[in-house]
Amino acid sequence: DVKVTQSSRYLVKRTGEKVFLECVQDMDHENMFWYRQDPGLGLRLIYFSYDVKMKEKGDIPEGYSVSREKKERFSLILESASTNQTSMYLCASSVLGLVGEQYFGPGTRLTVT
Amino acid sequence: QQPVQSPQAVILREGEDAVINCSSSKALYSVHWYRQKHGEAPVFLMILLKGGEQKGHEKISASFNEKKQQSSLYLTASQLSYSGTYFCGSTNSGGSNYKLTFGKGTLLTVNP
Repeated sequence: DVKVTQSSRYLVKRTGEKVFLECVQDMDHENMFWYRQDPGLGLRLIYFSYDVKMKEKGDIPEGYSVSREKKERFSLILESASTNQTSMYLCASSVLGLVGEQYFGPGTRLTVT
Repeated sequence: QQPVQSPQAVILREGEDAVINCSSSKALYSVHWYRQKHGEAPVFLMILLKGGEQKGHEKISASFNEKKQQSSLYLTASQLSYSGTYFCGSTNSGGSNYKLTFGKGTLLTVNP
């Protein structure tokens, strides 16, 4: 059974704080993704990675960075959290090659106050 | 470019059918369908890769019309368990094969 886990289900941070969201997958998948989900806007891709240390910007990368030092782990970093980054953050993974089935983690609901 | 889903929401009685459409302004390479139940992660339903392809998954099937740049998801004889938000995701011809762009979703509610 493919498992994608995220470090926290709920997180509350203050404006200006540095925030780390961690994602770990156990299926040896090459591709990993970070999305944010907001009501009425669907799932929007922030960053993705197709290999260790490789990353590409998605549709809304501003204000975010990522790190992938090991194949199974993909981190999303908010350098200086702002209130407009309050959202549900979903991590996903998939095998390399043609875009295949993505396996999603349970999500982290981040509130920035 | 985000694909456009229609309708935004639909309410059914158990046993009724529904169609959810997903359209793109760019040439489609593949279309992916996911369902997300309230409070849960999205779950994969199916991928369509070729123009005109139709796939089935129990009583849920989908078609992909490459010419119209559109995919449709068909839910027949709906069950209560079908309730949730349905997302289509697309990759475009000439674009990144890794990057899936999702629509805004269609909220499906099945009532007894």
